[in-house]
Amino acid sequence: KAGVTQTPRYLIKTRGQQVTLSCSPISGHRSVSWYQQTPGQGLQFLFEYFSETQRNKGNFPGRFSGRQFSNSRSEMNVSTLELGDSALYLCASSLWKSFVGNTEAFFGQGTRLTVV
Amino acid sequence: EDKVVQSPLSLVVHEGDTVTLNCSYEVTNFRSLLWYKQEKKAPTFLFMLTSSGIEKKSGRLSSILDKKELSSILNITATQTGDSAIYLCAGCGGNNNDMRFGAGTRLTVKP
Repeated sequence: KAGVTQTPRYLIKTRGQQVTLSCSPISGHRSVSWYQQTPGQGLQFLFEYFSETQRNKGNFPGRFSGRQFSNSRSEMNVSTLELGDSALYLCASSLWKSFVGNTEAFFGQGTRLTVV
Repeated sequence: EDKVVQSPLSLVVHEGDTVTLNCSYEVTNFRSLLWYKQEKKAPTFLFMLTSSGIEKKSGRLSSILDKKELSSILNITATQTGDSAIYLCAGCGGNNNDMRFGAGTRLTVKP
């Protein structure tokens, strides 16, 4: 069974450009969450999608956006890149988001974005 | 605002030592606490704790939740160099049952 796949693995962009990152969840998983990881801030929640709907959003500016497709694959987009956007972007998939209890999330290998 | 705080932020030990990593949380509508190990990129799941006082164990790793103190500990006995990693804890709760992560503890085990 394939794990969570993120593409590309590495990316170098210049300030002002935009970037799109992709996440393919584990087959059958419908929930995809995105996180930004930097050395000083740890993992910070960006947003979460379930059945093509954004269910929750973290405290990030509007330059960060995302979407989910009918096959549960998700993309996140960052426009007008800033140096501070350099980070490891991780996505995690889970079977569903239960309001009674949470199932553990499985993470992808991440996309390392460097903004120069 | 919800927050999860881990301590220490980094730790250096020698093989064979026992370590205790701490995680405290303030999470609205708290449901569970999760521990992950991150070696290079993808965090891998270790434990999910929902009930206070019940220890979860996997080999040399164990963890317990204290809902009264809003905290959890992760113990690693007889540490090995392969235990070197960042250990993340996450509190699950809120209106959408989302995970809020702490900054992590970077554990280095020296031979």
